[in-house]
Amino acid sequence: GAGVSQSPSNKVTEKGKDVELRCDPISGHTALYWYRQSLGQGLEFLIYFQGNSAPDKSGLPSDRFSAERTGGSVSTLTIQRTQQEDSAVYLCASSLGTGRLYEQYFGPGTRLTVT
Amino acid sequence: DQQVKQNSPSLSVQEGRISILNCDYTNSMFDYFLWYKKYPAEGPTFLISISSIKDKNEDGRFTVFLNKSAKHLSLHIVPSQPGDSAVYFCGVGSGGSNYKLTFGKGTLLTVNP
Repeated sequence: GAGVSQSPSNKVTEKGKDVELRCDPISGHTALYWYRQSLGQGLEFLIYFQGNSAPDKSGLPSDRFSAERTGGSVSTLTIQRTQQEDSAVYLCASSLGTGRLYEQYFGPGTRLTVT
Repeated sequence: DQQVKQNSPSLSVQEGRISILNCDYTNSMFDYFLWYKKYPAEGPTFLISISSIKDKNEDGRFTVFLNKSAKHLSLHIVPSQPGDSAVYFCGVGSGGSNYKLTFGKGTLLTVNP
């Protein structure tokens, strides 16, 4: 079966531009997470969706970051007025939402470079 | 303040020997612990997990040990194989309703043939 997919795989953008990152979770997974990994750092939690609602946005670094999820499936992470410190690999993960809730399945990530 | 620490950025072992990866956490409320493996240019893949009610979980060559009093988690790989060479992240779950994972910075394991 298909795993978590993310697009684009790589994105280079100029400082100040907006970017949109997409995540397609595993079919049937109700929980969806966004993380980012900056150079030399661990995985930093950004936001969590259960269905289409986001009960935990505590990890979003600033109000330039927003995310939405529609139809309980695809999610987009939007970064407005990108800054160089936003450069990182953005990872999406999904999980069943019942039972083994902690077992998250990750996509390959989107490498964002802000020049 | 790091709630989850992997103090060894890298580890090198010989093929066939045991690899021991360590992880320390600060919050006693964490109740679920996982290890993920990550190859370059790929997302992390789930490896093995343990809940706080157990102190050991074994899956083939991989065993995770949990010492709650010491707030310490370890992953043993035996025998180590060159294909095990990757970055290993420990992730801990804090309970509550979001099942969010907090990760360490990872340990790069290199298994030499």
